[in-house]
Amino acid sequence: DQQVKQNSPSLSVQEGRISILNCDYTNSMFDYFLWYKKYPAEGPTFLISISSIKDKNEDGRFTVFLNKSAKHLSLHIVPSQPGDSAVYFCAASERTGTASKLTFGTGTRLQVTL
Amino acid sequence: NAGVTQTPKFQVLKTGQSMTLQCAQDMNHNSMYWYRQDPGMGLRLIYYSASEGTTDKGEVPNGYNVSRLNKREFSLRLESAAPSQTSVYFCASTGVFEKLFFGSGTQLSVL
Repeated sequence: DQQVKQNSPSLSVQEGRISILNCDYTNSMFDYFLWYKKYPAEGPTFLISISSIKDKNEDGRFTVFLNKSAKHLSLHIVPSQPGDSAVYFCAASERTGTASKLTFGTGTRLQVTL
Repeated sequence: NAGVTQTPKFQVLKTGQSMTLQCAQDMNHNSMYWYRQDPGMGLRLIYYSASEGTTDKGEVPNGYNVSRLNKREFSLRLESAAPSQTSVYFCASTGVFEKLFFGSGTQLSVL
């Protein structure tokens, strides 16, 4: 049972436009959410996060929105750049003692075209 | 500035062979993790170690064992490899909750 879902396997956006990546979750115990970016042949790298007590977090061109009632979060990239082309993973955290167990979505491949 | 180092980067095994994937981090992190990535499945947690001396099962632990050798090193062992274990394996570590730092991965094929 997939607790974190990214229903769009791929997304193509023109350079300079907004990219919106979506993520849904089912476990109400999740209290921290993250986005990771992954280039081919590399490990995922942390991009941006949001706590469940907030509904928005912004970092430069990247903004994450959280709608707890809908169990939905989204990542906005404005403006999109060719270097943003990568696979984006949504992740949700359930803290267990002194460690965090992240549950990842299946990823959305973003292609930013010229 | 190495971060998380995984070895080997590529490996081909025959069914039934054993091997150990090595992982080391130089960031003085307490927690370390092993994930596998499969097409259409995202990253799934195999095992994790909250701190030196402790290990716990993740979502898909069957067929694997781990050892937290010291604070820096966390190894993953396949005792008898199966084709279903063909995957890309990522080691990660964190000192602050949630913000995992990942290695570059090991691509494993089991024939």
